[in-house]
Amino acid sequence: EPEVTQTPSHQVTQMGQEVILRCVPISNHLYFYWYRQILGQKVEFLVSFYNNEISEKSEIFDDQFSVERPDGSNFTLKIRSTKLEDSAMYFCASRPGTGANSPLHFGNGTRLTVT
Amino acid sequence: AQSVTQLDSQVPVFEEAPVELRCNYSSSVSVYLFWYVQYPNQGLQLLLKYLSGSTLVKGINGFEAEFNKSQTSFHLRKPSVHISDTAEYFCAVSDRAGNTGKLIFGQGTTLQVKP
Repeated sequence: EPEVTQTPSHQVTQMGQEVILRCVPISNHLYFYWYRQILGQKVEFLVSFYNNEISEKSEIFDDQFSVERPDGSNFTLKIRSTKLEDSAMYFCASRPGTGANSPLHFGNGTRLTVT
Repeated sequence: AQSVTQLDSQVPVFEEAPVELRCNYSSSVSVYLFWYVQYPNQGLQLLLKYLSGSTLVKGINGFEAEFNKSQTSFHLRKPSVHISDTAEYFCAVSDRAGNTGKLIFGQGTTLQVKP
């Protein structure tokens, strides 16, 4: 069964540094998402992406965050200047098409640790 | 806007006992309902979903959930749990009319199955 893959599984960075988290969604999927889960807290929506543009973003997704689909397969989340509070597990997800009834498929996540 | 409340943060249960994980939601619009499971060091995997029709839905691994519109609940049940069911369980909703399909998650319930 096709999977969403995320790399790296664990990223350690220093405060103020830029970090790029990478995701390869399932190949025929059209909608892409980033979520984060701070340790011990709920999974929070960051951003959705469709047709090469952001379709929705949360209040968390401020100017420090950006997403890109640089080619036909990768979907990246960039944090320009990391803060300690950005430490979290970041999940990429994708789904096949229109309609909110098609479920999201999640990757295994990237654990970001900001020191 | 939607919100999801999972009433129990942890549910300890003995192997082969029945279990119910509770989920209530609040929404001003009609929603689709989902349960996801997260095994240690893995991503979120879809257990089951309620889209329409019968209010009792069956999912993978012997789990089922019942949608109760009047109580705005979507509790997850399994008649007999296994050690391998130990995991984090997340209830989620999405706006039926929304075109991004984003999920709003509850806080999660840790199911601890003891031998």
